[in-house]
Amino acid sequence: DTEVTQTPKHLVMGMTNKKSLKCEQHMGHRAMYWYKQKAKKPPELMFVYSYEKLSINESVPSRFSPECPNSSLLNLHLHALQPEDSALYLCASSPQGRGNGYTFGSGTRLTVV
Amino acid sequence: ILNVEQSPQSLHVQEGDSTNFTCSFPSSNFYALHWYRWETAKSPEALFVMTLNGDEKKKGRISATLNTKEGYSYLYIKGSQPEDSATYLCASRAGNKLTFGGGTRVLVKP
Repeated sequence: DTEVTQTPKHLVMGMTNKKSLKCEQHMGHRAMYWYKQKAKKPPELMFVYSYEKLSINESVPSRFSPECPNSSLLNLHLHALQPEDSALYLCASSPQGRGNGYTFGSGTRLTVV
Repeated sequence: ILNVEQSPQSLHVQEGDSTNFTCSFPSSNFYALHWYRWETAKSPEALFVMTLNGDEKKKGRISATLNTKEGYSYLYIKGSQPEDSATYLCASRAGNKLTFGGGTRVLVKP
């Protein structure tokens, strides 16, 4: 298995809803990432997990809450989002080591209404 | 250079023609430079990871070069085909932090 799987592919949620995005990989990668991409902009890093521990939080608002229950799973819990949080959320994973590329999922397209 | 910058933002190429575009990145404390190809509605796909000054990498008709001292990388597409149409992203890696450029959107016209 050489893929990163993200679910759901599309999500519409109200500003008072609680939802979660899920990311899964079975490549044995020990680093996992959440990126946010707004239209016509490059992906921006949100969180990095290394060996199931949060190692980087790019000053993301607390309405986004990441979780890494095990080495294969990464969740992003969403609560009280704003319409400006509407974006494509990408998950990625990588082996440790300088010469390794990231494997990305195809993303969750989130719309906050 | 403080950010990762790519130029041009977009380009149209006639099928069969060759093309190239640029990525500029901070040269201080260089760690690694990534190139990704991203087609609409698909996942970004890793093309190259480059770590050494003077690196040249090739994958089929696509190749890349790296100059870490001056902070730039070129991506070349030889004999462009319609299936090469995509956005090409470069990203500078510092530790576990990957910072992307704005991408070059390539459209190959038959």
